[in-house]
Parts: sequence; structure tokens; C-alpha cells
Amino acid sequence: EDKVVQSPLSLVVHEGDTVTLNCSYEVTNFRSLLWYKQEKKAPTFLFMLTSSGIEKKSGRLSSILDKKELFSILNITATQTGDSAIYLCASINAGGTSYGKLTFGQGTILTVHP
Amino acid sequence: SAVISQKPSRDICQRGTSLTIQCQVDSQVTMMFWYRQQPGQSLTLIATANQGSEATYESGFVIDKFPISRPNLTFSTLTVSNMSPEDSSIYLCSATRTGSSYEQYFGPGTRLTVT
Repeated sequence: EDKVVQSPLSLVVHEGDTVTLNCSYEVTNFRSLLWYKQEKKAPTFLFMLTSSGIEKKSGRLSSILDKKELFSILNITATQTGDSAIYLCASINAGGTSYGKLTFGQGTILTVHP
Repeated sequence: SAVISQKPSRDICQRGTSLTIQCQVDSQVTMMFWYRQQPGQSLTLIATANQGSEATYESGFVIDKFPISRPNLTFSTLTVSNMSPEDSSIYLCSATRTGSSYEQYFGPGTRLTVT
């Protein structure tokens, strides 16, 4: 069974801090890994990582995938209170009857205090 | 990214009744999915909505409880049947755009409370 594990499950920091969120996976027919930010209901897409070692950046957020060690990290620098959310990672399966399916981790609840 | 809308955005329903949630995408997509997110939990895939054929359900989910339709490439419905308080969740549809590299986008979700 495909498995995605995130750590830590929750994190409390102060504005300006840098945080690193972790995501490890055990997935058959792995294709890519996605990161989402969930504030109220719908997860909003952050990154999709397919190739190992290539960092993706968007403003203060960046992410990288290690396909040998089967993990990804999401970094947020100079955190702001607006970064408070649940961060979800999910693997995409690209094989057989599981084609296109996402398997989600438990999520990391990030709280940024002023 | 695909723009996805869902109706209703929230509902409070009585035990034993059924609710149909609609999901509309602004452009043709290859794949549509339905997820459930129970309070304090992560997202769990219910089923893949297949256009013109029966949905593909994940372990623990059955068609009688969660019938799904997808009559065309941009629209799908999920019905939560014979509801109980355990069905109180956020229900989300998602879609992968045709020709995209598997990026999956989510609708705004439907918050269901069963009393």
C-alpha cells in the first residue's frame, strides 16, 4: 500500500523564522510529488516535483525532491503570519489502475506567531 | 490551472437523507476525483470519476453509499447516500487538466454536517 509520511505534524514559530517541512514516501509507480497549502477548505497547489535534485522556488517558498532517499522538503524563509496553514504533500501514482491518484500525507500544521 | 467550482459550499442534513454535490470545471480535463477530509484528518480518495462509465472506487468506499456520475468532461456529481453523523466531512473534487503534467487542482470543497 502506498504511504506518505510528513513531519513534523505541527510546528509553531515566530515571524521571520525559517521552517523546513519533511515528506517521505513509499509508492509503487511513483511519478511526482506535490505540495499544497490548505487554509480553509480547498488545498491550493504550490509545487510539483518530478526530477531529483532540482529546486523549485516561488517567493519565500522552495522545495526539492530526492528520489534516491524517497523524500522531499518544503522550505519557507522569513515566515509571516499568513503562512499559517496546513501543508500537505501528496504522491502521484502513474501506473495501472492507480493512474493519476494522489496519496496524501497527514499534513503539517504550521502556526506563525507575530 | 483549471478553475473548479462546487455546489453547495456547505449543508446541514438530517440522518438518513442524501445529498448530491456538483463539481464543474472551466475546461476539459482528463481526470476528475472525489476526496473526503474528515475533521482533523488529511484527504482520502473516495473514487476516480470516469467519463461515460462507472467510477473506480477506493478500498472502503462503495457505489451504493457514494454514487458518482460524470456525464461529460467538465462535470461530475457525488451523492452521499443514507447519511449518518460519521459522514460529516469536507468533500472535495479535483481535476487534472488535459495535456498537463499531472498537476491536480481542487475545488473549494463542500462542508457537510449530518445531524
